[in-house]
Amino acid sequence: GENVEQHPSTLSVQEGDSAVIKCTYSDSASNYFPWYKQELGKGPQLIIDIRSNVGEKKDQRIAVTLNKTAKHFSLHITETQPEDSAVYFCAARDSNYQLIWGAGTKLIIKP
Amino acid sequence: GAGVSQSPSNKVTEKGKDVELRCDPISGHTALYWYRQRLGQGLEFLIYFQGNSAPDKSGLPSDRFSAERTGESVSTLTIQRTQQEDSAVYLCASRGVADGSNQPQHFGDGTRLSIL
Repeated sequence: GENVEQHPSTLSVQEGDSAVIKCTYSDSASNYFPWYKQELGKGPQLIIDIRSNVGEKKDQRIAVTLNKTAKHFSLHITETQPEDSAVYFCAARDSNYQLIWGAGTKLIIKP
Repeated sequence: GAGVSQSPSNKVTEKGKDVELRCDPISGHTALYWYRQRLGQGLEFLIYFQGNSAPDKSGLPSDRFSAERTGESVSTLTIQRTQQEDSAVYLCASRGVADGSNQPQHFGDGTRLSIL
């Protein structure tokens, strides 16, 4: 079955710098890859997603890239702000339409 | 519109008691998921309901855990004879279909369960 690995587990960046979080997946049949942001005491919220028929998607300061050959996808946040501090989860949808989740990355934005 | 609503937001109970957690999905969403999230950990899949199909119970950790959903409405997750290792946040998510394709999962804010 599908397996998703996420790195790093913790990422600390200076405010204004960029942050990159990477995930790899194992099942080449997976075709949908969402990213969720979870703030303290809240449920995860979808911030961006990408389907396997495109290589990149951008929404303001957030972008996701997908390399199907290498089976990895990445979240890029530019011009980081204090409110970007949160835990970020990647996921891959398997052939049963279930999301297989990464372990999460705690992003810390230093002022 | 209203999002996924979970109640209670917090629950403290003694070891050995039964607890019932409730999830109100987004109206019209046919799919509903329960997850467990231990402190500082990722999401652990528990159970999945899709319309009137038999639920996927493959993630339930023991027979003390059960869940029900009537049609496309409210779901309840029940934990019997609670143990301290059941302490976690229990998250519910629902998902709809639009234009013939599956939409993203939308999460509630969870129930924080503490077993004394």
